[in-house]
Amino acid sequence: SQKIEQNSEALNIQEGKTATLTCNYTNYSPAYLQWYRQDPGRGPVFLLLIRENEKEKRKERLKVTFDTTLKQSLFHITASQPADSATYLCALDMLDYKLSFGAGTTVTVRA
Amino acid sequence: DAGVTQSPTHLIKTRGQQVTLRCSPKSGHDTVSWYQQALGQGPQFIFQYYEEEERQRGNFPDRFSGHQFPNYSSELNVNALLLGDSALYLCASSYSLTDLAKNIQYFGAGTRLSVL
Repeated sequence: SQKIEQNSEALNIQEGKTATLTCNYTNYSPAYLQWYRQDPGRGPVFLLLIRENEKEKRKERLKVTFDTTLKQSLFHITASQPADSATYLCALDMLDYKLSFGAGTTVTVRA
Repeated sequence: DAGVTQSPTHLIKTRGQQVTLRCSPKSGHDTVSWYQQALGQGPQFIFQYYEEEERQRGNFPDRFSGHQFPNYSSELNVNALLLGDSALYLCASSYSLTDLAKNIQYFGAGTRLSVL
């Protein structure tokens, strides 16, 4: 069956450290993988997109990697800040007009 | 520039009732998708509307139906509500003529539906 799994545990980190989130998938062949941020009571907000033929993408303090052999994406937040505290969702795009989301990982950054 | 707006923000219904949720897409967007998000879960795709037609549908029963109007706004209708329909319903919009690869979704804040 198809599965998208993100870190099962919430992530608690100290301000200034790097948070690393994982997204593993089974029985999907995504052309693209996206990462979204969701704050409580709000809808998800798009952060980054990476294509299947790209290994790494960066945007400011965010970095995403994509390994189609391992069927895994890693999402890094460097020099983390309390304002980065949120739930982060990975989403797979198989070019069929829909996104398939993981359950998300909640990140809390302590000052 | 107005983003995606949804109404109402909260709704309480009883089992067996019917509900209609509304969505106005981001200015310039012509495609609307609906997602259901249960507590602690990621959004699950319900369907997508483009040119007033349902273009793609997820694994949801026929009790879930929708509509898109000429101004691109959309409605989600759910009939014969079940307790399990309690969730956050998210509307997302996008622009069809961007690179299909960039299926980036702009989400509204959602409608919280509680079925008692």
